[in-house]
Amino acid sequence: GDSVTQMEGPVTLSEEAFLTINCTYTATGYPSLFWYVQYPGEGLQLLLKATKADDKGSNKGFEATYRKETTSFHLEKGSVQVSDSAVYFCALSVLSGYALNFGKGTSLLVTP
Amino acid sequence: EAQVTQNPRYLITVTGKKLTVTCSQNMNHEYMSWYRQDPGLGLRQIYYSMNVEVTDKGDVPEGYKVSRKEKRNFPLILESPSPNQTSLYFCASSAATGSPGELFFGEGSRLTVL
Repeated sequence: GDSVTQMEGPVTLSEEAFLTINCTYTATGYPSLFWYVQYPGEGLQLLLKATKADDKGSNKGFEATYRKETTSFHLEKGSVQVSDSAVYFCALSVLSGYALNFGKGTSLLVTP
Repeated sequence: EAQVTQNPRYLITVTGKKLTVTCSQNMNHEYMSWYRQDPGLGLRQIYYSMNVEVTDKGDVPEGYKVSRKEKRNFPLILESPSPNQTSLYFCASSAATGSPGELFFGEGSRLTVL
């Protein structure tokens, strides 16, 4: 079935470091791809999305590009802040378009 | 303010004692869903509903029930909870039109079954 695989954490970075969190997907059709973020003690919230190949989603300094040739949607940020410490989930939409299959999440800790 | 509200946020119960976790959204969303989050397993879908009186099983429905009698509410029912249902539960909603996959999540309900 359709699924996503993301790198395991935890990832620990110093403030202002470059961030990459890898995500690859398996899908029979042409899914939309998403990154969600979960801050401590909160529910998930949408960070960015891309609905077709070569689309780039961006928000709050984070970016991810939908790469059909490598079936990837890696999350990047040029300079992380302590406030970016959270768990990041890669997800794809299933055929109905409303349900999502999530990766297992990658915990990010940014230290001052 | 647009939101998804879950109650209770924290609950400790004992095996076999029926409980209900409520979920309500104020965005007039057609689609609602329940997920559980467990360490190392990420989020797994329990049940979902495309609209009033329309519900279907997700990936891990065993031991759970849901109902959708009103558009805004989607309660999760554990008829006879067991320790393996100890988890963090999230309710989510989405509009059935517009951008698919833009789920709005509640803050979560942490359930412990002793």
